[in-house]
Amino acid sequence: GAGVSQTPSNKVTEKGKYVELRCDPISGHTALYWYRQSLGQGPEFLIYFQGTGAADDSGLPNDRFFAVRPEGSVSTLKIQRTERGDSAVYLCASSLSDGHEQYFGPGTRLTVT
Amino acid sequence: GENVEQHPSTLSVQEGDSAVIKCTYSDSASNYFPWYKQELGKRPQLIIDIRSNVGEKKDQRIAVTLNKTAKHFSLHITETQPEDSAVYFCAASINTNAGKSTFGDGTTLTVKP
Repeated sequence: GAGVSQTPSNKVTEKGKYVELRCDPISGHTALYWYRQSLGQGPEFLIYFQGTGAADDSGLPNDRFFAVRPEGSVSTLKIQRTERGDSAVYLCASSLSDGHEQYFGPGTRLTVT
Repeated sequence: GENVEQHPSTLSVQEGDSAVIKCTYSDSASNYFPWYKQELGKRPQLIIDIRSNVGEKKDQRIAVTLNKTAKHFSLHITETQPEDSAVYFCAASINTNAGKSTFGDGTTLTVKP
């Protein structure tokens, strides 16, 4: 079946702009996770959804970052007033439910110029 | 919060030799420890995981060991092949909140033919 997909694959934006990154999880997976991966580092947890609600958003770096999952499937990560330090690969993962194997998407490479 | 340290950062072995990657964690409540393989430009993929109720798990050429007392776990790859070359990440999480995985910084494994 189809895996986790993310769009766009690459996004270049100017400092100060707003961006939205989309994640389509595997059908039927109730848990969805967002991570950020900088070059040479492991993925850094941002936020985790169980169904429609954010079960843990403690990894969001500041209030410029926000994520939604209104129907319990597709999720959008929103970044306001982007900064150059936001440049990274944003990874999405999903799992059947909390505590099961996570399947990662291909990521969105965000570059803020 | 949880802190995961991974060593070595780079590892080069001859084809057919064994490779060992070690991780330590700080939060004694962590009870789920997955290992991911990430090839250049691709998504992380789970290769093996272990839960805290077992000390060792093996899957063909790959094995993971866990020492809860010392709070460390290791990945062992035997009979390495060039296609094993990739970046390997360990992670630790509390099973009831698996989304909040904390990753190590990765080990770049190179298997020379």
